[in-house]
Amino acid sequence: TQLLEQSPQFLSIQEGENLTVYCNSSSVFSSLQWYRQEPGEGPVLLVTVVTGGEVKKLKRLTFQFGDARKDSSLHITAAQPGDTGLYLCAGAPGAYKYIFGTGTRLKVLA
Amino acid sequence: ETGVTQTPRHLVMGMTNKKSLKCEQHLGHNAMYWYKQSAKKPLELMFVYSLEERVENNSVPSRFSPECPNSSHLFLHLHTLQPEDSALYLCASSQPFGGGTGELFFGEGSRLTVL
Repeated sequence: TQLLEQSPQFLSIQEGENLTVYCNSSSVFSSLQWYRQEPGEGPVLLVTVVTGGEVKKLKRLTFQFGDARKDSSLHITAAQPGDTGLYLCAGAPGAYKYIFGTGTRLKVLA
Repeated sequence: ETGVTQTPRHLVMGMTNKKSLKCEQHLGHNAMYWYKQSAKKPLELMFVYSLEERVENNSVPSRFSPECPNSSHLFLHLHTLQPEDSALYLCASSQPFGGGTGELFFGEGSRLTVL
């Protein structure tokens, strides 16, 4: 069974702090996605990484795909209250099968 | 309307009731999904339809019955549910082939409570 473990599970930080969320698996994925879900809404895609070692930046968010394509990280610089939400990583072992991670619930306090 | 629309947003039902969840996508995608999101579990894939054919059934109990009459609509028929089936049910669509990015587009979900 392919699993994606995220850490930490919960994170509460002050505005302006930096943080890193990790997504780890024992399986290799051809691509990995990060989503953010806000209360009362469905997850929304932030980024897709496909190449081992790839780094993508989205404003204050930096995403990295591990060299072996088994793990990924999300780093947020100078977090803001608008970053609050549930962050989910998702791996796609097949064309239609997206496996989601355990989730990291982030709260940024003003 | 644009995106993925789910109805109803909230549903309360008894264990002997029969109800249905509806999902409609306006994105022209050829794959549609049902996911279950519980409080203490990762998002669980339930069913996948591609071009109206079911391509994935992730060991879901038979009290959940999906239906995909066309590429824009997806239903989840519910009957004799258990309290542990209470969860947020999310519908999603994607375009895995033909130049698509594989991104999942989610609806806002249907919050189900089974009494």
